Amino acid sequence: DTGVSQDPRHKITKRGQNVTFRCDPISEHNRLYWYRQTLGQGPEFLTYFQNEAQLEKSRLLSDRFSAERPKGSFSTLEIQRTEQGDSAMYLCASSLAQGMNTEAFFGQGTRLTVV
Amino acid sequence: GENVEQHPSTLSVQEGDSAVIKCTYSDSASNYFPWYKQELGKRPQLIIDIRSNVGEKKDQRIAVTLNKTAKHFSLHITETQPEDSAVYFCAASRGGGNKLTFGTGTQLKVEL
Repeated sequence: DTGVSQDPRHKITKRGQNVTFRCDPISEHNRLYWYRQTLGQGPEFLTYFQNEAQLEKSRLLSDRFSAERPKGSFSTLEIQRTEQGDSAMYLCASSLAQGMNTEAFFGQGTRLTVV
Repeated sequence: GENVEQHPSTLSVQEGDSAVIKCTYSDSASNYFPWYKQELGKRPQLIIDIRSNVGEKKDQRIAVTLNKTAKHFSLHITETQPEDSAVYFCAASRGGGNKLTFGTGTQLKVEL
């Protein structure tokens, strides 16, 4: 499968624990995005990278959240001291930002449940 | 920042009828408007997109129209089929790989 892959698919954690998610984008894509989706809502932007540079972070993103893309390939999203409000689907997407070509391809997501 | 509103939140149609979903956006600098289909438990998948230099685009049973002056765009599905049942999201972006701002989604149900 050459699409965007995310790991794990599901994560249950206790409140206060740290969690880390991984995203592997489509190999030639230079942009990688993280979104969060709660039930009944559209995906909400969190942050995105061009290669290894983090270009933008949502103002809604708590400082408990951090993302990296160390070599411009895979990315990790870490949530520290998880809260019940962090329960959501975390979606990763990638695109080849080249001229007008902007189609973003999504992964299957990581569903986080904080208990 | 950009704000995208989407209506209706739910839409039920009979098989073979047409379905229309409407979105408005606030940022006049937005120039790329994709539509995603998301089936239960699956990833959002792009079904059609339009850029601000065109007013309409069609792909088989799906079409999208864009009115830049009014800042609204719509998805039209003709001859609906049960497999069209899903949640549809509109989105807006400044293009060039910038972030997407999504609407709240429309749950489309196509009844036999």
